[in-house]
Amino acid sequence: GDSVTQMEGPVTLSEEAFLTINCTYTATGYPSLFWYVQYPGEGLQLLLKATKADDKGSNKGFEATYRKETTSFHLEKGSVQVSDSAVYFCALWSNDMRFGAGTRLTVKP
Amino acid sequence: DADVTQTPRNRITKTGKRIMLECSQTKGHDRMYWYRQDPGLGLRLIYYSFDVKDINKGEISDGYSVSRQAQAKFSLSLESAIPNQTALYFCATSPRGHGVDTQYFGPGTRLTVL
Repeated sequence: GDSVTQMEGPVTLSEEAFLTINCTYTATGYPSLFWYVQYPGEGLQLLLKATKADDKGSNKGFEATYRKETTSFHLEKGSVQVSDSAVYFCALWSNDMRFGAGTRLTVKP
Repeated sequence: DADVTQTPRNRITKTGKRIMLECSQTKGHDRMYWYRQDPGLGLRLIYYSFDVKDINKGEISDGYSVSRQAQAKFSLSLESAIPNQTALYFCATSPRGHGVDTQYFGPGTRLTVL
């Protein structure tokens, strides 16, 4: 069945460091891909999305490119802030919705 | 006011009891979803509904049932709760469209089954 694999956390970075969270997927057909973020005690919020190959999703300085050839959708940010500390989930929709296990990011001042 | 609300926010119950979790939305979205979140497993889809007369099983529907009473309401039931159904449950909505667009999540219901 469809699945999403993302890098295990936790990830701890200093403020202004570069962030990469890897995400790869297995799916039939042509899935839509998403990154969601969950702040403590809250539900998930969409961070960015891409619906077809080579699309780049971007929001709040975060970016991810839909790479069909490598079945990947890695999340990047050039300079993280303390306020980016949260759990990040990669997800796909093909036949239904599948989420990765989540990666906890902590950014220290 | 929140666009997607869930009641109750916390619930502790005993094995074998019937439990209903409720979700309401004011976003006017046709599509609604129920997920459970477990540590280290991310979110897993239980059921989803693309309109009032449409119900679909997700990845882990066994032991659960749902009811879509109206466009704005989607309830999740555990007919006979068991301890491994202890989890954080989220409702979500999305607008109608090709594929699945952005989902908007409620604040979650923490369910503990003793």
